[in-house]
Amino acid sequence: RKEVEQDPGPFNVPEGATVAFNCTYSNSASQSFFWYRQDCRKEPKLLMSVYSSGNEDGRFTAQLNRASQYISLLIRDSKLSDSATYLCVPSRGNTGNQFYFGTGTSLTVIP
Amino acid sequence: DGGITQSPKYLFRKEGQNVTLSCEQNLNHDAMYWYRQDPGQGLRLIYYSQIVNDFQKGDIAEGYSVSREKKESFPLTVTSAQKNPTAFYLCASTPGFSNQPQHFGDGTRLSIL
Repeated sequence: RKEVEQDPGPFNVPEGATVAFNCTYSNSASQSFFWYRQDCRKEPKLLMSVYSSGNEDGRFTAQLNRASQYISLLIRDSKLSDSATYLCVPSRGNTGNQFYFGTGTSLTVIP
Repeated sequence: DGGITQSPKYLFRKEGQNVTLSCEQNLNHDAMYWYRQDPGQGLRLIYYSQIVNDFQKGDIAEGYSVSREKKESFPLTVTSAQKNPTAFYLCASTPGFSNQPQHFGDGTRLSIL
């Protein structure tokens, strides 16, 4: 089993739609979790940290289910500028300063 | 502005040549990392360093070398032993204590001539 698994997509959604991405991780000792976005041929940029109780930042909501080793990202009211690849990033065990990077889920928001 | 600077942005390597990629940060972060990204793949860890004068191999260290003589700097050398060096190389840093996200430089694209 891969350390991190994401549906590669692509997800093609109209502007204003709600879209959800899922991610599973294999290391039950992972302690910290993040979502990054990566634009084509650019570096990953932190989108949000994922807290155990779930958290929201504007149009973005992240959820964590430790029992199922599952992380999700919900984007509401999609904008054209949301088009990117979204990377799920759990930590490698409980040290917290090394990470697994998923291959990402590609999102294209269509006018 | 604080950040991570990678140079050059594009680099070409001839057969049998070693090349060095620069990574400098002014975030006062203790830990620094090098990743490689190939098309359609996730980031793979090459080397990382938690403190000055110390570094560890990541998942794909063969054909690469690093040094960490200063806190701000973590250069990566791609040696001639790396037979498939064409990739997007990303440098990252974290404060060093746990559960903090990584910050990335804007990357170096390395190609074979």
